[in-house]
Amino acid sequence: EPEVTQTPSHQVTQMGQEVILRCVPISNHLYFYWYRQILGQKVEFLVSFYNNEISEKSEIFDDQFSVERPDGSNFTLKIRSTKLEDSAMYFCASTPQGVKKSTDTQYFGPGTRLTVL
Amino acid sequence: TQLLEQSPQFLSIQEGENLTVYCNSSSVFSSLQWYRQEPGEGPVLLVTVVTGGEVKKLKRLTFQFGDARKDSSLHITAAQPGDTGLYLCAGERTGANNLFFGTGTRLTVIP
Repeated sequence: EPEVTQTPSHQVTQMGQEVILRCVPISNHLYFYWYRQILGQKVEFLVSFYNNEISEKSEIFDDQFSVERPDGSNFTLKIRSTKLEDSAMYFCASTPQGVKKSTDTQYFGPGTRLTVL
Repeated sequence: TQLLEQSPQFLSIQEGENLTVYCNSSSVFSSLQWYRQEPGEGPVLLVTVVTGGEVKKLKRLTFQFGDARKDSSLHITAAQPGDTGLYLCAGERTGANNLFFGTGTRLTVIP
């Protein structure tokens, strides 16, 4: 069964450093998402991406964040200058047609645990 | 902010007991999804409910969407240790392209 994959599984970085989290969505999916989950807290939406541009973003997704689909398979989340409070699990998800189709399923990757020291 | 409150936050029961988890909001959602999340993994979809009053069954799990589409419940019959995990509800707003997740219910089923 196709699945969303994410690398690395765990990233440790120093405060102020740039990090790039990578995701490979399911191959025939068109919409891509990033969510984060701070330890002990709920999953929070960051951004959705369709047709090579941001479709929606939350207030969390400020100028320090950016997303890119550099090729036909990868979908990346970049944090330019990490802060301590960026430490969290980051989940990538993809759907065939987008959440606007109510019956569409979001498939989540296993997550990348980001630790900012 | 579309807030989805789940209750209880933690639930510990004996194997064989029944339980209900609630997901409530003051906002209307076009659909509600229930996920289960294992430690260190991403959420895995259990079910999507779309119509107000809709009831869906998945083996021993029964999901209901409130008539006003503001709330949902998950009922587990004869819980088993394998049901242990974090259960998340997530709502989709009409016209939006993302999910709002609930606060989660951590279930522990004791053998």
